[in-house]
Amino acid sequence: DTEVTQTPKHLVMGMTNKKSLKCEQHMGHRAMYWYKQKAKKPPELMFVYSYEKLSINESVPSRFSPECPNSSLLNLHLHALQPEDSALYLCASSQDAFRWTGGVESYGYTFGSGTRLTVV
Amino acid sequence: RKEVEQDPGPFNVPEGATVAFNCTYSNSASQSFFWYRQDCRKEPKLLMSVYSSGNEDGRFTAQLNRASQYISLLIRDSKLSDSATYLCAVNAEGSQGNLIFGKGTKLSVKP
Repeated sequence: DTEVTQTPKHLVMGMTNKKSLKCEQHMGHRAMYWYKQKAKKPPELMFVYSYEKLSINESVPSRFSPECPNSSLLNLHLHALQPEDSALYLCASSQDAFRWTGGVESYGYTFGSGTRLTVV
Repeated sequence: RKEVEQDPGPFNVPEGATVAFNCTYSNSASQSFFWYRQDCRKEPKLLMSVYSSGNEDGRFTAQLNRASQYISLLIRDSKLSDSATYLCAVNAEGSQGNLIFGKGTKLSVKP
């Protein structure tokens, strides 16, 4: 079982709907991420939260709105999406976004199982 | 030049074979390197971190070559269950933690 929990696992929404994706981790990680993955493509970064503050927004359209209510939770609010936004949305967490140890010991991400989103 | 590049494969190998994947990265300031495994329609799962001195975990060996800016993954004695897509991931100093993924290399192990 993954230690990062995402809900829902599947979501179908119309272009006028408003929905939210949720992500939760209880590993004490201080960095959380949203990635988007299309079929046969690598995950692409959308947002990074570090210590509950948004630290990176990779020029994501405003129809995607992230929220970090506390250190364990990360939401992604969706509004007026387009069919091309259909993808697997992955949440991830890591111990600390700013900690580099030169390769001696490195911190990878733990991913949630993702939300498969279809926009119709 | 793309930031992280991998041979997409597919690599089709028989059980018991040894297979190696390479991944090149463009940012010489990169500090942390990882191999992830992704099964079809599943999330990526961390397979190994890649340490400067190289590291081994059972049948899997990861190596880093900073001079040539590539990392490698060697799988010995391939099992059917090793069939998956293998993604390399790199994060760069100053990038505030985000990982950049390669497109992945698809491995298919046949009986």
